[in-house]
Amino acid sequence: SQQGEEDPQALSIQEGENATMNCSYKTSINNLQWYRQNSGRGLVHLILIRSNEREKHSGRLRVTLDTSKKSSSLLITASRAADTASYFCATDANGNNRLAFGKGNQVVVIP
Amino acid sequence: DAGVIQSPRHEVTEMGQEVTLRCKPISGHDYLFWYRQTMMRGLELLIYFNNNVPIDDSGMPEDRFSAKMPNASFSTLKIQPSEPRDSAVYFCASTLGGNQPQHFGDGTRLSIL
Repeated sequence: SQQGEEDPQALSIQEGENATMNCSYKTSINNLQWYRQNSGRGLVHLILIRSNEREKHSGRLRVTLDTSKKSSSLLITASRAADTASYFCATDANGNNRLAFGKGNQVVVIP
Repeated sequence: DAGVIQSPRHEVTEMGQEVTLRCKPISGHDYLFWYRQTMMRGLELLIYFNNNVPIDDSGMPEDRFSAKMPNASFSTLKIQPSEPRDSAVYFCASTLGGNQPQHFGDGTRLSIL
């Protein structure tokens, strides 16, 4: 089954810096989603990008999608300590709401 | 607006015991998902329901696992008998469907001794 895979696995940055994470997948998709998970909590949806979209913004988040390379990136600008979390990409292959999640990307923002 | 509610938050029990995890989805959501998260395997989809009907249970690891959704506001995931390798965090999520995001509960941390 299709599964997103994030790269790099762990990232440590200073507050105020930008953080970039990448995700690759294997087959065609209907949409790709990014989620954040704080320690001991459930996943929280950040942004959804459809297969016919190339870029999407939400506040300090910027997501790109390259379907020819089967990859996506999540950029967090001007990071804050509160952005410390794990970030997951998830793909919906058929538009049936069934998501395949990657292993996650641990981001630590140092104040 | 209440989110997805899971209970219990933590469960510690001995192997061989029956474990029942509970989930209340967001009202009006047509889809409900059960996931399992471990360090080794990440987040795995176990089963999902649409309008209370199981659609895909291919992720259920074995017959010891079963899930039900008797009505639109309640679902259970049962493990009987439980084994130490079942130790994980189990999440429930719900969504309206139609490219809408999934909303997750805070999970049940299950430890089987």
